[in-house]
Amino acid sequence: DIQMTQSPTSLAASVGESVTITCLASEDIYGSLVWYQQKPGKSPQLLIYGATILEDGIPSRFSGSGSDTQYSLKINSLQPEDFASYYCQNGLSTPYTFGAGTKLELK
Amino acid sequence: QVQLKESGPGLVQPSQTLSLTCTVSGFSLTSNSVHWVRQPPGKGLEWMGGIWGDGSTDYNSALKSRLSISRDTSKSQVFLKMNSLQTDDTAIYFCTRDYGYKTNWFAYWGQGTLVTVSS
Repeated sequence: DIQMTQSPTSLAASVGESVTITCLASEDIYGSLVWYQQKPGKSPQLLIYGATILEDGIPSRFSGSGSDTQYSLKINSLQPEDFASYYCQNGLSTPYTFGAGTKLELK
Repeated sequence: QVQLKESGPGLVQPSQTLSLTCTVSGFSLTSNSVHWVRQPPGKGLEWMGGIWGDGSTDYNSALKSRLSISRDTSKSQVFLKMNSLQTDDTAIYFCTRDYGYKTNWFAYWGQGTLVTVSS
């Protein structure tokens, strides 16, 4: 199984700041990396797929990058609604493993 | 529009079998895959398994011996059955649909249903 190691586990930031979350795959996933946002009590929401492609309706302050085994999610100019948990997912092959998550909290 | 909704018992006794139903609308089960993902309270997401448009299934190896996913296309329903439940199976269970044909990520999610395993 492909292991997804996400860091940091938690992150405190202020409105207007920029943050970066990273995800390391245990083997090359050829850009098949997916990011989700999850707010408390809600289902996950697709943000980015194919490592860099923004899902329709997602603000452009979200961006994804990376290749091979190393990937990042960057959020520019944090807005109050961005404070949530974020998960990466291996989209290459089953089992579709997720990272352990990053909780983004308001400083 | 695409919708998925989970239903099933909120409480299951240890060693018993969990049966959940995902009722979908807005798409055909023969065109898209539907998957089950669970999340223990306060923890991360775990892909459990899925059923593809052609009816084939795949499971997380950690759960394979206990898990079965099936469907009734005429009723637009996908079923999850998992036996020998233990307390660490307590989780929110989500059903989710792929983004599109032969994609491996999840664009549509149900609201989730909390299953508690307790005597």
